[in-house]
Amino acid sequence: SQTIHQWPATLVQPVGSPLSLECTVEGTSNPNLYWYRQAAGRGLQLLFYSVGIGQISSEVPQNLSASRPQDRQFILSSKKLLLSDSGFYLCAWSAGSSPGELFFGEGSRLTVL
Amino acid sequence: AQRVTQPEKLLSVFKGAPVELKCNYSYSGSPELFWYVQYSRQRLQLLLRHISRESIKGFTADLNKGETSFHLKKPFAQEEDSAMYYCALKFTGTASKLTFGTGTRLQVTL
Repeated sequence: SQTIHQWPATLVQPVGSPLSLECTVEGTSNPNLYWYRQAAGRGLQLLFYSVGIGQISSEVPQNLSASRPQDRQFILSSKKLLLSDSGFYLCAWSAGSSPGELFFGEGSRLTVL
Repeated sequence: AQRVTQPEKLLSVFKGAPVELKCNYSYSGSPELFWYVQYSRQRLQLLLRHISRESIKGFTADLNKGETSFHLKKPFAQEEDSAMYYCALKFTGTASKLTFGTGTRLQVTL
């Protein structure tokens, strides 16, 4: 069966420090991968998605970047965190055989101080 | 621009009462709509999709293109239905890019 792992679950970082959130999917090949941010009162905002290795589409201009170094690995990064980067980040994957069905990770809560 | 609107942040109903979670959308293409649910301490997960026209856990949702709505309904609410519900609209294309609404918290009380 397919699983998605996301880590770390919780992260507290100072302003100006770098960020790396990792997400891996097991049990499937060539998944579409997504990073969402979940903010109270604002729902889920799509940040990045990827349909293949090295292919990244950015949906919202921001201080963050994403990379896909391997088929089932998706990384969310920042060189210098801002206070406004605080939030709950969700990784998700989907298969072409089931359009619109996203499988979400457990999320990473980032607090920037 | 694509947009999904869920006007209610919180909906509180009594057990056994009917439930209707509202969702309206704006989209220039042919819409594909979904309802996702997040129970306490669980991951966000798909509840149902409009193209399946299915009933999941007693919930149904009908796409009304004239009113651009996709309201989620259940005739008799149960305590275990208490959760956060998100309506989502899929962009056309190969990836499953979804635009989510802001969510409605359903609280079912005795």
